Amino acid sequence: DQQVKQNSPSLSVQEGRISILNCDYTNSMFDYFLWYKKYPAEGPTFLISISSIKDKNEDGRFTVFLNKSAKHLSLHIVPSQPGDSAVYFCAASAPGESTFGDGTTLTVKP
Amino acid sequence: DSGVTQTPKHLITATGQRVTLRCSPRSGDLSVYWYQQSLDQGLQFLIQYYNGEERAKGNILERFSAQQFPDLHSELNLSSLELGDSALYFCASSRGTGGYNEQFFGPGTRLTVL
Repeated sequence: DQQVKQNSPSLSVQEGRISILNCDYTNSMFDYFLWYKKYPAEGPTFLISISSIKDKNEDGRFTVFLNKSAKHLSLHIVPSQPGDSAVYFCAASAPGESTFGDGTTLTVKP
Repeated sequence: DSGVTQTPKHLITATGQRVTLRCSPRSGDLSVYWYQQSLDQGLQFLIQYYNGEERAKGNILERFSAQQFPDLHSELNLSSLELGDSALYFCASSRGTGGYNEQFFGPGTRLTVL
C-alpha cells in the first residue's frame, strides 16, 4: 500500500500561470513533508519543506500548503517559468523514515 | 553540485553477475540513503546507514546488501542480477538520522542488466 501518492503523473501549464502539484498521504505519523525537484540525468534537489505544526510555508515563488485533516499537501509555483519544467517528488517523514511519492512531471510552456 | 558523489555513472552487466555501487556523502553528513528508480517509477527507498550502522530498511531485496565504512562512504552490492534490476540507483546523504533533514542526492548510477 503506497503511503504517499501523487495522483497526477503529469501537469502542463503556461508560462506565468500558477502550477499546483498535489500529494496525498495515508500515515498519520508523518509530521514533516518535503518537495524535491528532479531534472533529467540529475539527482533530486531539495525545494521546500513544511512541518506539521504549520499549514503554509513560502519561499519565493514556491509555497507549500498542508491540510492535515485531509492528509493532503500541495506545492504552488507562481509565476511558473520554463526552467521549472522537471519532475517534482513529494516526500513525507516520520521519525527515522522518509517515503517518496512517484513524482509529477511538470511542463511549463513558453 | 550537491557534494554527493557516486561511481560509476553507468554500468552495463549481464544477468547473474554482481556489481558494487559506491557513494561518498557530503562533507559532515553522517547518514547515507540508497534509492532505486526504475523506468517511469518513483524513488524506492532501499536502505539507510547512519555513522556506520544500519538505521532503516525499505524494499531492499535479499540479493542486495550495503554497508557504510568508517570514512562514511557507502557501497551498495547487487548480486545475482536480473533484468528487472536495471534502474537508476541514487545515493543521498543528510546531517542527521531522521526524516526531518533534507537529503542531498548524488547524480545516480545507471545500471543496465542485459
